[in-house]
Amino acid sequence: EAQVTQNPRYLITVTGKKLTVTCSQNMNHEYMSWYRQDPGLGLRQIYYSMNVEVTDKGDVPEGYKVSRKEKRNFPLILESPSPNQTSLYFCASSSSWTGVYEQYFGPGTRLTVT
Amino acid sequence: KQEVTQIPAALSVPEGENLVLNCSFTDSAIYNLQWFRQDPGKGLTSLLLIQSSQREQTSGRLNASLDKSSGRSTLYIAASQPGDSATYLCAVLGGATNKLIFGTGTLLAVQP
Repeated sequence: EAQVTQNPRYLITVTGKKLTVTCSQNMNHEYMSWYRQDPGLGLRQIYYSMNVEVTDKGDVPEGYKVSRKEKRNFPLILESPSPNQTSLYFCASSSSWTGVYEQYFGPGTRLTVT
Repeated sequence: KQEVTQIPAALSVPEGENLVLNCSFTDSAIYNLQWFRQDPGKGLTSLLLIQSSQREQTSGRLNASLDKSSGRSTLYIAASQPGDSATYLCAVLGGATNKLIFGTGTLLAVQP
């Protein structure tokens, strides 16, 4: 089944403790991205990657890192999480960024930082 | 900077009614516009994608239109059902930025 998977689905952590949220897609998509969703603010893009080893900042990249060493994986790293990073996170992928192809979203990761 | 607005923020209709959801954007330089559905606590499901060169797309009871010059899109849902209850989001893929910018959504409730 074609899908985008994220792990973990739920995570409660403490301020400053490094964490990684994994994202994997099995559709051989080139374009992958991360979003956070907050009440009243909607979905905002954190980082995106147009292909392996090519990443760029979205609208809210502060406090996050990403890497794209393999085509299928695009982990989101929080080196020193803070309470304002408490949010619902989504990973997405698409065949390309040219606008012809739709974006597929993962099920989301709910992160709470205390 | 691209801004995407959805009106209304919430909508409640009786079952069987036809309805229209609105999406407007400020920068017409887009690659595409996509409509999504989000159920509570769940991820996003793509409903329709309209490329910048297209005027509309249809899937079952759903029809989405795009007027790039006026910065507007509508999602028409025919013969609404309780199972259509969800939040509907529109998003534009910026031509200059490669970024997908979302509206804040319309929460739809279809009453049986």
